[in-house]
Amino acid sequence: GENVEQHPSTLSVQEGDSAVIKCTYSDSASNYFPWYKQELGKGPQLIIDIRSNVGEKKDQRIAVTLNKTAKHFSLHITETQPEDSAVYFCAATQLRQLTFGSGTQLTVLP
Amino acid sequence: ETGVTQTPRHLVMGMTNKKSLKCEQHLGHNAMYWYKQSAKKPLELMFVYSLEERVENNSVPSRFSPECPNSSHLFLHLHTLQPEDSALYLCASSPGSSGTGEQYFGPGTRLTVT
Repeated sequence: GENVEQHPSTLSVQEGDSAVIKCTYSDSASNYFPWYKQELGKGPQLIIDIRSNVGEKKDQRIAVTLNKTAKHFSLHITETQPEDSAVYFCAATQLRQLTFGSGTQLTVLP
Repeated sequence: ETGVTQTPRHLVMGMTNKKSLKCEQHLGHNAMYWYKQSAKKPLELMFVYSLEERVENNSVPSRFSPECPNSSHLFLHLHTLQPEDSALYLCASSPGSSGTGEQYFGPGTRLTVT
């Protein structure tokens, strides 16, 4: 089955700096890679995703890159703001099951 | 978040109790999921329903019993739980009948087993 590794587990950045979270996956058949943001007391919220036929996708301050050869993908957040503080999860899937990484607690310091 | 709702939001139950968690999705999706989220662990997929038929059951103990009466509602019936079952239980839905692609989560039910 699929195995997703995510790092770092915690990340602190100064407001305005960039944050990068990285994930690796094991199953070369995986073809869909979403990123979720989970705030305290809430369920995970889909913030951006990428499919295996695309190398990069950007949505305002958030971008995701995918390297299929190396089997890794990354989340990039630029110009971080305090409201970006949350736990971020990556996931990978082929067929119907999403396999999640263990999460990154991002803290944006004012 | 109003696309997928879950009730109750918090639940405390004893090991001999029987209770049910409810999930409702208002997105017209065809697939629904139950996940367990424990501290310091990745989300664990428990059950998948596609078009009201259970298509995945990831070796979940029989004290957890899912029910999907229609494509908009999903229940998780609980009985004789153990303290290690305390966790956040998340429901999700996705548009595809095969369950591939993006999933949208509810806010979760925080379950405490005493």
